[in-house]
Amino acid sequence: SQQGEEDPQALSIQEGENATMNCSYKTSINNLQWYRQNSGRGLVHLILIRSNEREKHSGRLRVTLDTSKKSSSLLITASRAADTASYFCATVISYTGANSKLTFGKGITLSVRP
Amino acid sequence: AAGVIQSPRHLIKEKRETATLKCYPIPRHDTVYWYQQGPGQDPQFLISFYEKMQSDKGSIPDRFSAQQFSDYHSELNMSSLELGDSALYFCASSPRDRSSYNSPLHFGNGTRLTVT
Repeated sequence: SQQGEEDPQALSIQEGENATMNCSYKTSINNLQWYRQNSGRGLVHLILIRSNEREKHSGRLRVTLDTSKKSSSLLITASRAADTASYFCATVISYTGANSKLTFGKGITLSVRP
Repeated sequence: AAGVIQSPRHLIKEKRETATLKCYPIPRHDTVYWYQQGPGQDPQFLISFYEKMQSDKGSIPDRFSAQQFSDYHSELNMSSLELGDSALYFCASSPRDRSSYNSPLHFGNGTRLTVT
């Protein structure tokens, strides 16, 4: 993708372990969002972090944002087999227009082994 | 809660045929986005509409067109289909966040288009 690049591309962990996924982007952003996608299904919004925020939590999810490094990380704690999916970061660029589009990075495939 | 509805769920067409994909946004969402996702690829933005007007345009081929109707549903029309058009096509909707454009997108389950 042209904006967000995730690493690793694939991650395999044991149930109960933590999973950390990283994303980098290129331009100044308004906000960064993480989405989850089960195979062949629609994307589900997980969490949004604004450019003036550094860390955000939602349940077992923790997102950090470092605008100086243009990077973000998504931490899933105490992973479950049901967390197996592809995860995408997406950015909204700093832009004064209404309803700015999301630009997605390449997904990370997370496999959680029971 | 109501979600974004897309139809059809699957569509098989031959090369050079036309296809129409429909999207019904969540009630009171006035913005619709279309994305294309090839196999193993990230979603690519095609086009968006706000209040029935095109608000942004991405990598949408000239063979494709879209519109948003008075009831806010949207249709993506695809003509002269090519093998490379085979992909998942997602529609997403959002309400306009008048403060800072920070509304997350709500995605439908997509239409899987196969061109043979």
